[in-house]
Amino acid sequence: EDKVVQSPLSLVVHEGDTVTLNCSYEVTNFRSLLWYKQEKKAPTFLFMLTSSGIEKKSGRLSSILDKKELFSILNITATQTGDSAVYLCAALLLIQGAQKLVFGQGTRLTINP
Amino acid sequence: NAGVTQTPKFQVLKTGQSMTLQCAQDMNHNSMYWYRQDPGMGLRLIYYSASEGTTDKGEVPNGYNVSRLNKREFSLRLESAAPSQTSVYFCASSDGAIPNRNYNEQFFGPGTRLTVL
Repeated sequence: EDKVVQSPLSLVVHEGDTVTLNCSYEVTNFRSLLWYKQEKKAPTFLFMLTSSGIEKKSGRLSSILDKKELFSILNITATQTGDSAVYLCAALLLIQGAQKLVFGQGTRLTINP
Repeated sequence: NAGVTQTPKFQVLKTGQSMTLQCAQDMNHNSMYWYRQDPGMGLRLIYYSASEGTTDKGEVPNGYNVSRLNKREFSLRLESAAPSQTSVYFCASSDGAIPNRNYNEQFFGPGTRLTVL
């Protein structure tokens, strides 16, 4: 059974702190690992990582994929209250011509001023 | 260009009632998906349609049926609603698997919050 597990499930920090969110996966037909940010409504796409060791950066957010150990991390530096959200990771699988996402449970991040 | 739209936004049903959730996209995407999200959990795939005319089961298909009405529309039906189907339902669409491309971003609708009493 395909499985994606995130940790921690919940994290509360102060503005300005650095946080690391973890995602491990055990899936078949793996193509890529994706990170999403979900505030009140639908998830919005942050990153896609396909090759191991590649670090993606977007401002204060960065992410690394380790395809040997089957995990990814999302780092957020100098956190702001606007970073408060649920962060979802998802494994992208390619099955019979269709792209399917298997999501983790999410990490609820709260940034206190 | 509205992207992915879903109706209704909210719905309350009694156990045993039926209803259809509607989803439409105007991006000319080939693939469409239905997910449910329960508190403290990520999204779980219910059904998907890789292209017009095809539908397949996802992780949690029991209790649901789908119809890919045309390229734009993909509906989700609950024939006899149960309290366990209380959830937020998201529809998504993407270009699907295109050769030589790694990923076609899935665009999500705003969600339907369904409560079954």
